[in-house]
Amino acid sequence: GEDVEQSLFLSVREGDSSVINCTYTDSSSTYLYWYKQEPGAGLQLLTYIFSNMDMKQDQRLTVLLNKKDKHLSLRIADTQTGDSAIYFCAEGGYSTLTFGKGTMLLVSP
Amino acid sequence: DTAVSQTPKYLVTQMGNDKSIKCEQNLGHDTMYWYKQDSKKFLKIMFSYNNKELIINETVPNRFSPKSPDKAHLNLHINSLELGDSAVYFCASSPIPQGGAVGELFFGEGSRLTVL
Repeated sequence: GEDVEQSLFLSVREGDSSVINCTYTDSSSTYLYWYKQEPGAGLQLLTYIFSNMDMKQDQRLTVLLNKKDKHLSLRIADTQTGDSAIYFCAEGGYSTLTFGKGTMLLVSP
Repeated sequence: DTAVSQTPKYLVTQMGNDKSIKCEQNLGHDTMYWYKQDSKKFLKIMFSYNNKELIINETVPNRFSPKSPDKAHLNLHINSLELGDSAVYFCASSPIPQGGAVGELFFGEGSRLTVL
C-alpha cells in the first residue's frame, strides 16, 4: 500500500534554512505535494512537483525530488517566524492523496 | 467567498449521541472528501465521493455515514459517538483528476469534535 514518511519535528532559528524530508512508496505517483497547516486552520497547498522533474523553485521554496530513492525534500530559505506550522508531504494517487504524518517546524527568533 | 466551508467549527457532545457535520464547496469540483486528523495531527482519508457517488470508503466504523445530496455538498453523520471519535474532521474537494492523478485538494477549516 501507499505510505509516506516524514520526521515529526524540526527546530530552526530565524534566518536559517529549513529542510523537511519525506519518503514515499508509490512510484506511480504523478505529482508530489507539500501542504502547510497553521494552528487552528485547514491545510493549504504550498507547492507541488511533477514526477518527471528533479527540482522546482518558487521564491523561498525549493523542492527536490529523487525519484530513484523516492525521496522528496522541501527547503525554505531565510526561514521566518511566520513559517512555523506543520508541513505535510503528500503523494497523488488517482482517487485521493496520501499524506505523511506531518513535520512540525518551529522557528525561534 | 469561502471555497470549502464546514459547519460547525466546534462540536462538544456526550458519548452515545448522534451528530452531523456539513460541508459545502463552491468551486464546481466533482470530488469531495472527508479526512480525520487525530490529536497527533495524523491525517487519514475516510471517504471520497465523485459526483455524489461513493469512491473511497476506508476502514471506518459503520457508525460514520457520509451523505452527498449533490456534488457541492458532502455531509458526515456519526451515530453513537465514542471517546475515540474526538478529532478534527476536514472536508476537502478537488477537480477531476488530470493525467491520471488527483490534483490539488482544497480543504475546509476543519470541525473539531470533542466527545465527553
